[in-house]
Amino acid sequence: ILNVEQSPQSLHVQEGDSTNFTCSFPSSNFYALHWYRWETAKSPEALFVMTLNGDEKKKGRISATLNTKEGYSYLYIKGSQPEDSATYLCASPRREYGNKLVFGAGTILRVKS
Amino acid sequence: NAGVTQTPKFQVLKTGQSMTLQCAQDMNHNSMYWYRQDPGMGLRLIYYSASEGTTDKGEVPNGYNVSRLNKREFSLRLESAAPSQTSVYFCATKPRDRGRRSLDGYTFGSGTRLTVV
Repeated sequence: ILNVEQSPQSLHVQEGDSTNFTCSFPSSNFYALHWYRWETAKSPEALFVMTLNGDEKKKGRISATLNTKEGYSYLYIKGSQPEDSATYLCASPRREYGNKLVFGAGTILRVKS
Repeated sequence: NAGVTQTPKFQVLKTGQSMTLQCAQDMNHNSMYWYRQDPGMGLRLIYYSASEGTTDKGEVPNGYNVSRLNKREFSLRLESAAPSQTSVYFCATKPRDRGRRSLDGYTFGSGTRLTVV
């Protein structure tokens, strides 16, 4: 069951551009929304865990917002740098699997210098 | 400060061979997970273990077995490998399953790239 959706599938931007991508998830029985950053040949790394509607979190140039009523979260990167190139994964706990995380397919970001 | 260690990093198997993927964590976390990553499909949960001695099936458990012998180690076994099991396998941990509103992100190992020919 993959009902956590991410868009776009991939994104190519120039250094300095700001960008954003979307994670949509079932709004019913919402528990939490996780964002991870996954660089090639490395481990996925947790960016944010969000639980409250309207929540907004920030880490450096990366920020995320959460709308639990309509079931989406946005991840924003301001002034993209080549080192931001990675796959960005979102995930939400699902009751079907004992509240274990179900991941979206990810958005691949490539930043050209 | 190793965190979550997976071995091996790469493996090629012939169809029908068996192998065990090892995962060890030094973070004193209770919960451990095995995921597989396939192109365009996201990370899919194979098995998980909420605590030492307990294991449960995830979304795609067929063809796999797991063992949680102690708090540190959670192994994944392929008894008879099939080409469909070609994938990247990730082990992950979390301090504990505190229910719905846990604020703990998962800590992942670096992955095992498995090819079954």
